[in-house]
Amino acid sequence: GAVVSQHPSWVICKSGTSVKIECRSLDFQATTMFWYRQFPKQSLMLMATSNEGSKATYEQGVEKDKFLINHASLTLSTLTVTSAHPEDSSFYICSGTGTPKTQYFGPGTRLLVL
Amino acid sequence: KQEVTQIPAALSVPEGENLVLNCSFTDSAIYNLQWFRQDPGKGLTSLLLIQSSQREQTSGRLNASLDKSSGRSTLYIAASQPGDSATYLCAVPLNQAGTALIFGKGTTLSVSS
Repeated sequence: GAVVSQHPSWVICKSGTSVKIECRSLDFQATTMFWYRQFPKQSLMLMATSNEGSKATYEQGVEKDKFLINHASLTLSTLTVTSAHPEDSSFYICSGTGTPKTQYFGPGTRLLVL
Repeated sequence: KQEVTQIPAALSVPEGENLVLNCSFTDSAIYNLQWFRQDPGKGLTSLLLIQSSQREQTSGRLNASLDKSSGRSTLYIAASQPGDSATYLCAVPLNQAGTALIFGKGTTLSVSS
């Protein structure tokens, strides 16, 4: 199956700093990428949908100015958590969809904000 | 609004038992349904995908069934092993195939040897 990578796999940062997470489709072109967030003992919740070359569409309750998403190429999307706070600590997972429209998930990035 | 519910939230069984995990969804107009496995602190592994026109899918010791009309799916695990210990998630697409997925909260399975 197709492979999606995420970098970094885990990150610890101080409150107030910004963190960038990369999501790459390694062997297919992902026309659409999705970003999910998973809090402890909760399910994955969709944060935003990004199409290559377009602005991301954010789900209700997700601040677009805080979670900046860039999908500048068919193989790379980035999520930047700006001015991170402890409540942003979570597990962030991306997925990419190409042709056929099967979603492939990345391994996730664990963010801990101190 | 589509909601996905999984019961039970947690399950502990001795090795060798057959078990059933349940998933229900509120809107029966689904395109497909997918079962995933998630190990602690890890990403998702796709186990089975059932198209809306299908009734079941099998892979090794796993069998997933789908009853769209009643809004239910089950994941049957035969002869459970300690290596099956993980959280099992079911998910349906928000719209058609290729769109974002709506996940249940999962069933955390523990198989003891």
